[in-house]
Amino acid sequence: QKEVEQNSGPLSVPEGAIASLNCTYSDRGSQSFFWYRQYSGKSPELIMSIYSNGDKEDGRFTAQLNKASQYVSLLIRDSQPSDSATYLCAVNDSSYKLIFGSGTRLLVRP
Amino acid sequence: DAGITQSPRHKVTETGTPVTLRCHQTENHRYMYWYRQDPGHGLRLIHYSYGVKDTDKGEVSDGYSVSRSKTEDFLLTLESATSSQTSVYFCAISAGGRTDTQYFGPGTRLTVL
Repeated sequence: QKEVEQNSGPLSVPEGAIASLNCTYSDRGSQSFFWYRQYSGKSPELIMSIYSNGDKEDGRFTAQLNKASQYVSLLIRDSQPSDSATYLCAVNDSSYKLIFGSGTRLLVRP
Repeated sequence: DAGITQSPRHKVTETGTPVTLRCHQTENHRYMYWYRQDPGHGLRLIHYSYGVKDTDKGEVSDGYSVSRSKTEDFLLTLESATSSQTSVYFCAISAGGRTDTQYFGPGTRLTVL
């Protein structure tokens, strides 16, 4: 059974701090990794995708991938209350399917 | 925003009745997916399609069937709804190829009484 694991949280950080969200996966053959943000009552929204080891930056967001350790993370710099949401990690399976973690709830305190 | 709509957005039905949910896309993407989302379980794949009339089962396919007669439409049918199928259902689409990126529709909240 291929799995994607996330700490459910909530992860609580003060406004302006760096939020660090982590995800581990079981399938060494995975090639594509995604972070989605989901506000309460809304659908998942793609934030970042990453395919190679190392860091990928997009504005306040940085995705980090370490395939040897089967670990992917998302850093949010200068966290804002509007970043409060559930963050879903997703990893590709074969046949164009994704496996989702159950999500980490982030709370940014004003 | 990806051009994905789902209908209905909300539905309340009774146990034993058939229910059909519709996903419509305007992106001409090859792949379409149906997920359900429940507290504590995250997003779980029900069925997916890799082309017109080409579908396959996901991890929680029991009690569900799908059809795709046109590129733009993917239907999910609960043949005889049960209370355990109360959930939020999301459709997603993907162009496939190298990136596998999936984009989600707005969701359908289904309650089975």
